[in-house]
Amino acid sequence: EVQLVESGGGLVQPGRSLKLSCAASGFTFSDYNMAWVRQAPKKGLEWVATIIYDGSRTYYRDSVKGRFTISRDNAKSTLYLQMDSLRSEDTATYYCATHGDWGQGVMVTVSS
Amino acid sequence: DIQMTQSPPSLSASLGDKVTITCQASQNINKYIAWYQQKPGKAPRQLIRYTSTLVSGTPSRFSGSGSGRDYSFSISNVESEDIASYYCLQYDNLWTFGGGTKLELK
Repeated sequence: EVQLVESGGGLVQPGRSLKLSCAASGFTFSDYNMAWVRQAPKKGLEWVATIIYDGSRTYYRDSVKGRFTISRDNAKSTLYLQMDSLRSEDTATYYCATHGDWGQGVMVTVSS
Repeated sequence: DIQMTQSPPSLSASLGDKVTITCQASQNINKYIAWYQQKPGKAPRQLIRYTSTLVSGTPSRFSGSGSGRDYSFSISNVESEDIASYYCLQYDNLWTFGGGTKLELK
């Protein structure tokens, strides 16, 4: 059974940093591109970033470029999202996902 | 960047109705569209991938079709467990979600 378990969320002040993790199991993690998707309260789904299966390439939505960094450790079957210079508009539930499988999400609240 | 225009934003249906949601891409997405169901407080669940392929466990009352820029998703014989929000996702070039459709009971 595929499992994706996010962690690392919480309340953080504007301008500070937070690092999310996503532990994967039940599939060959190193074979899959991985993504982070977020959902602001009462809003729709928004793609944030993608990393290629071997970590060779990364892609970001414009609003997080230069602030967020997606990375992975295939030996640990873990996906990461380093979030710097956080803004109030980054407040959302963050999901890690393959194409077909999603984690349960982790809440990030950016507020003073 | 590819944009996805999903409509309608909300839909009211009676049990047993057929409902249809559409997504139009800003360019040809070569049938690389998936459909997701999301219930309050839960993660999205993929129902359909590659336009019309039902994911394992998806009931046969769900269906998808389309090509080029225009795609649709239907639920025949709406059941109470289908009350949720639905999203399309293009994955031809990175990912872009549609704005979502909230399905409610009439």
